[in-house]
Amino acid sequence: GQQVMQIPQYQHVQEGEDFTTYCNSSTTLSNIQWYKQRPGGHPVFLIQLVKSGEVKKQKRLTFQFGEAKKNSSLHITATQTTDVGTYFCAGGRNQFYFGTGTSLTVIP
Amino acid sequence: DGGITQSPKYLFRKEGQNVTLSCEQNLNHDAMYWYRQDPGQGLRLIYYSQIVNDFQKGDIAEGYSVSREKKESFPLTVTSAQKNPTAFYLCASTRGGAGELFFGEGSRLTVL
Repeated sequence: GQQVMQIPQYQHVQEGEDFTTYCNSSTTLSNIQWYKQRPGGHPVFLIQLVKSGEVKKQKRLTFQFGEAKKNSSLHITATQTTDVGTYFCAGGRNQFYFGTGTSLTVIP
Repeated sequence: DGGITQSPKYLFRKEGQNVTLSCEQNLNHDAMYWYRQDPGQGLRLIYYSQIVNDFQKGDIAEGYSVSREKKESFPLTVTSAQKNPTAFYLCASTRGGAGELFFGEGSRLTVL
C-alpha cells in the first residue's frame, strides 16, 4: 500500500519554541489532511490541503503542501502546553493512509 | 448531537475468543473505517466501507471481519485468527471521497 512517513517521531521543546513535523509520501497525493491526537484521546481533524504549493494558517499553526504533492509540513510557532499531542498527516481518497505521527512534548 | 459511538471502551478477552467491537454513527455518512493503533505507531487501516452491503480490505485485514448491513453501523469482529489483537481500535466515518474523518473515542482491547 501507499507509504506515508513522518519525521521526527518524537520532539521535546521548551514552551515558546517552534515545532515542525514533516510528512513524505511515496506517491503523489490528491490531498493531505492533518490530525491531532491528545494523549489518551482520538484523532481530531485540523485541516485539509488540496492544491500544489498550498499554504494555510490557523492561528499559530502553518500547514504547507509541497509543489509535487508528495510532502507536507506542519509548523507551530511559539508552542504552548496545550499543543501537546501526536500530530498525524493522512493522504488519499476513499482510503486514507496515515503517517507514523510525531509526538510533541512541551516542557513548561 | 451527531457523532460516532464506539463500544465498549475497554475490553478484555482470553486467547481463542472472538470479540465484536461496535461502531454507530448518526452523521448520515456514507463511508466508515476501522483503524488499528499500536503504541508509538500510526493508524493502520483494517477495513473500510463506502456504501451499505459493501466493504473492502485495508492493509491489515487478516484476522478481522466486518459487516455493513445498515448505513449507521459498522461492527468489527476480532477473530481468534488475529495473532496479536491487543491494540487501540478506532472507528471513523466521512461523507465520502476525501472529506475529513470523524473518529469515535476508540475501543481498547487487551488479550489476556
